[in-house]
Amino acid sequence: AQKITQTQPGMFVQEKEAVTLDCTYDTSDQSYGLFWYKQPSSGEMIFLIYQGSYDEQNATEGRYSLNFQKARKSANLVISASQLGDSAMYFCAMREREAGNNRKLIWGLGTSLAVNP
Amino acid sequence: GAVVSQHPSRVICKSGTSVKIECRSLDFQATTMFWYRQFPKQSLMLMATSNEGSKATYEQGVEKDKFLINHASLTLSTLTVTSAHPEDSSFYICSARETSGRGKTQYFGPGTRLLVL
Repeated sequence: AQKITQTQPGMFVQEKEAVTLDCTYDTSDQSYGLFWYKQPSSGEMIFLIYQGSYDEQNATEGRYSLNFQKARKSANLVISASQLGDSAMYFCAMREREAGNNRKLIWGLGTSLAVNP
Repeated sequence: GAVVSQHPSRVICKSGTSVKIECRSLDFQATTMFWYRQFPKQSLMLMATSNEGSKATYEQGVEKDKFLINHASLTLSTLTVTSAHPEDSSFYICSARETSGRGKTQYFGPGTRLLVL
């Protein structure tokens, strides 16, 4: 069964430092996609970064990078130079195998990140 | 990124009334929209997948007669919580996936907080 595991319920980081949020996944599919979303206290889900299973290079989007280790089935999110506004819940998700047009996302339980000034 | 709106953002209603929540993709067409429910400090729970012009696909355990979904156009899906009860109080959030292009990313609306008294 496909599954996403985020083992860190909560994380703290000092402002301006880098932080890594862990995500491991389980799938037997060869083709899949991995996503990270940020959810601030307002509730909206903000798309951060995407990694395809066939992408050879790690995805990067500004201060966000995804440390994709396929053999280990891990897709950790690295946030560089943390800012106070980075305090939020972070969810890792995996796109389920293609089944027509209804490709669902499998979600992790999330990691709450607090950035200290 | 693509923009998804949701209305209303917050609603308080009496037990037994019905509540309609709208989800619109503002700058792209979305053949598929997803409806989620989220309890405090928990991950997203997929309720149903909404396809334009066809019946929604409900997840196991979600009452289709309780949560009516209509996806009438490529930019609008609605979720109606019928005869709402206090246990329906939750955060409801929709997402939409682009019809065109790679269509790999789900973009989320800002969510609707429902409180049933």
